[in-house]
Amino acid sequence: QVLLQESGPGLVRPSETLSLTCTLSGGSISPYYWTWIRHSPAKGLEWVGDIYYSGSTYYNPSLKDRLTISVDTAKNQFSLNVNSVTAADTATYYCARRTIVVPHRFDSWGQGTLVTVSS
Amino acid sequence: DIQMTQSPSSLSASVGDSVIITCRASRSIYNYLNWYQKKSGEAPKLLIYAASTLQNGVPSRFSGSGSGTEFTLTINRLQTEDFGTYYCQQSYNTPRTFGQGTNVEVK
Repeated sequence: QVLLQESGPGLVRPSETLSLTCTLSGGSISPYYWTWIRHSPAKGLEWVGDIYYSGSTYYNPSLKDRLTISVDTAKNQFSLNVNSVTAADTATYYCARRTIVVPHRFDSWGQGTLVTVSS
Repeated sequence: DIQMTQSPSSLSASVGDSVIITCRASRSIYNYLNWYQKKSGEAPKLLIYAASTLQNGVPSRFSGSGSGTEFTLTINRLQTEDFGTYYCQQSYNTPRTFGQGTNVEVK
C-alpha cells in the first residue's frame, strides 16, 4: 500500500512562494497521476492540480497562473509551488494519488499539512 | 465549473441508524462520482467510486447510487467509526470539484 507524506514550511509570508513536497513510500511514481488538493473553511476541498509521472500537468484554472507542480521519479517525490500567496491560500494541503483508469478517483492520500499565510 | 451540492450539511445519528446523504451536480456527470470519508486528524479515505462501486476494504454497510445529477451515499447500521465528514467529488471534467461536506455526528 502506497503511503504519502507532505512536507514543507507551515508558515509563509504574503507575496512569497509556498513550497511543498510529497514523498511516496511503498509504491512507485509510475504509472499514476499525482495530485494536490487543499482544504480551507472558506472554500472546502479544492483541487489544485495533477501531474502525470511523465511530467504532464493539469492545473485548476483559478490558480494556474501561480502554480507549478513537478515530479522527481528518482526520489519518488512530487512538489507544489504556489507563487504570490495571500491569506486566501491558507489551507491544509493534501497530496494524493489519482488513478489512471476511468472514472478517475483519489485512492490514496497523505495526512495533510497546514500552511498558514501570515506576516 | 461543475458545482456539487450536498445535503444535509450536517446530521445527528445514533449507532445502528441508517443515514442517507445526497449529492447533486449542476449538470450531468453520468456516473463520474466519488465519495470520501474524512475524520479529524486523518487522511481522507475513498469509499465509493463510479457512483456505486465500493473501494477495496470498505465495509458493505456503505453503498452509493445515482447517475446524471443526483447521487446518494447510504450508511446502514451506523458504527462508531463512521462518524466524520463525507464529501462527494465529480471526476467528469476539470477542475475536479467537491461537495461542501456532510458532517455526521453522534446524536
